[in-house]
Amino acid sequence: DTGVSQNPRHKITKRGQNVTFRCDPISEHNRLYWYRQTLGQGPEFLTYFQNEAQLEKSRLLSDRFSAERPKGSFSTLEIQRTEQGDSAMYLCASSLVLVRSSYNSPLHFGNGTRLTVT
Amino acid sequence: TQLLEQSPQFLSIQEGENLTVYCNSSSVFSSLQWYRQEPGEGPVLLVTVVTGGEVKKLKRLTFQFGDARKDSSLHITAAQPGDTGLYLCAGAPQGGSEKLVFGKGTKLTVNP
Repeated sequence: DTGVSQNPRHKITKRGQNVTFRCDPISEHNRLYWYRQTLGQGPEFLTYFQNEAQLEKSRLLSDRFSAERPKGSFSTLEIQRTEQGDSAMYLCASSLVLVRSSYNSPLHFGNGTRLTVT
Repeated sequence: TQLLEQSPQFLSIQEGENLTVYCNSSSVFSSLQWYRQEPGEGPVLLVTVVTGGEVKKLKRLTFQFGDARKDSSLHITAAQPGDTGLYLCAGAPQGGSEKLVFGKGTKLTVNP
């Protein structure tokens, strides 16, 4: 178990540029989540996948944000036309859910990608 | 929107002291999890509580889920500098959403 891996760890970009982050979950986990965390706040849910299917998206996920998990393994989160308000830590988490609505499944978080938009 | 309010927001204590942090909501959660996060890292799960009134102990940490499953507390006995971190509670909402709702956290500093 190598844990959840996120790349890059840090990204500095200019406003208006596009950025893409990658998350490699724990290999046997079927669920993958993206959260965003700003300074002084707890993580805010963005979206989650069950295998390759994107099942829920937050209203925080504007049309500039898109997430994919094409083969049910790694996932990418792309932000187009970045804005300064997008500056945050983007956290990926994975879990193994064996039964529907098993809310007890713990989330295993990666160490995040810190995005700074200048 | 289901909100989790954590208090206090900041807590600075001396090594050896006891402390309690709280996580409150007006909503009912099917389960509640506590995480600890260190700077530059992702949150790490400490415990999940599921049943109203449930108490779980993890060494010097005691977690309690309220009878109505709307609130929770974390008590640390004889705090140590290694307990320093951001403590987050996260609730699993009833009614079908699979997302966890996080509080803003309590930033704990234990001074030697």
